[in-house]
Amino acid sequence: GAGVSQSPSNKVTEKGKDVELRCDPISGHTALYWYRQSLGQGLEFLIYFQGNSAPDKSGLPSDRFSAERTGGSVSTLTIQRTQQEDSAVYLCASSPDRRQPQHFGDGTRLSIL
Amino acid sequence: QKEVEQDPGPLSVPEGAIVSLNCTYSNSAFQYFMWYRQYSRKGPELLMYTYSSGNKEDGRFTAQVDKSSKYISLFIRDSQPSDSATYLCAIAMAFGNEKLTFGTGTRLTIIP
Repeated sequence: GAGVSQSPSNKVTEKGKDVELRCDPISGHTALYWYRQSLGQGLEFLIYFQGNSAPDKSGLPSDRFSAERTGGSVSTLTIQRTQQEDSAVYLCASSPDRRQPQHFGDGTRLSIL
Repeated sequence: QKEVEQDPGPLSVPEGAIVSLNCTYSNSAFQYFMWYRQYSRKGPELLMYTYSSGNKEDGRFTAQVDKSSKYISLFIRDSQPSDSATYLCAIAMAFGNEKLTFGTGTRLTIIP
């Protein structure tokens, strides 16, 4: 079946612009996660959604970052007033529930000029 | 000190060799241990997970956990060029815990 889908696959934007990254999880998966992978760094947890519960936003690095998940399915990660240090690969993962393994998409490569 | 330490490599070995990849962690509260493989420009894919000390085998892959030393390993037997990828260890307080903590990854190249 279809895996986790992320769009766009690549995004280049100017410093100061806002960007939106989209994640379509595997159908039926109630848990959704966002991570950031910077060059030479491991994956850094950003935010976690589980069903209709309030999201765990503890990993968001600043208030310029926000995410929402509509209808328990598609999620959007928004970065406002982008900075060069935001350049990274943003990965989305989903799982049937929090006790199951996470399945990753191929990420969005974000470059801030 | 990072919660998980992983040698970034790069590591190059000839085809057919046994590969050993390792991570150490600092918090004994971590109970679940995972290995992910990541090909270039792809997302990580789960290879193995375990929660107990000892060995877990799946085909050519063996995951080993030593909780007393806070040390985890992944062994690849009869390595193939298709095994060339970055290998990431990940740990969690409980399986499925949303806050997976990842190592930085080891880049592995299998030379034909």
